Amino acid sequence: DAGVTQSPTHLIKTRGQHVTLRCSPISGHKSVSWYQQVLGQGPQFIFQYYEKEERGRGNFPDRFSARQFPNYSSELNVNALLLGDSALYLCASSFIYRPNYGYTFGSGTRLTVV
Amino acid sequence: AQSVTQLDSHVSVSEGTPVLLRCNYSSSYSPSLFWYVQHPNKGLQLLLKYTSAATLVKGINGFEAEFKKSETSFHLTKPSAHMSDAAEYFCVVSDLSNSGYALNFGKGTSLLVTP
Repeated sequence: DAGVTQSPTHLIKTRGQHVTLRCSPISGHKSVSWYQQVLGQGPQFIFQYYEKEERGRGNFPDRFSARQFPNYSSELNVNALLLGDSALYLCASSFIYRPNYGYTFGSGTRLTVV
Repeated sequence: AQSVTQLDSHVSVSEGTPVLLRCNYSSSYSPSLFWYVQHPNKGLQLLLKYTSAATLVKGINGFEAEFKKSETSFHLTKPSAHMSDAAEYFCVVSDLSNSGYALNFGKGTSLLVTP
């Protein structure tokens, strides 16, 4: 079985640009969460979606947005990129939105803003 | 909000010796606690989870953790370290709030295993 798939694996953007990151959950999983991991820190929660509805939002500016599609894949969008947005962006999928059932993380997208 | 504090940013052990990674939690109610491991350039892997069942939790690769409510601790242990255990370890608490079911990560403990 395929695990959580994230694309692209790496990308470089310029300040002020827009970026879209993609995540395909494990087959049968209906919840997707997004986390930002800055170098040397633990991941921080950005969004959680379940059945195409936003279930939770972390403390991130409105430049960050996301959505979940009917096939349960998800996109994370970041507008007006800042140097501080450089990080590893992780996607986690689960059957439902409660972590007790186990979240499976993808390998992440490494975003560098220059 | 619920949070965790990992007491050591770096831990170094010799191969074959015990591993202890310390974590304290702050919670207003009975928490769900997890340990995740992250190898270089890899995603996060769940080692074990505590969800108010048995206080001694066994995980993968010989790791276990004990939930101690009186000490608000959830330390991770392993009897004998292997070279392959070298990685970053995160203690995590699940937080149900207006942020949904977010995972709140500690800052991580880097485990170094020497021959």
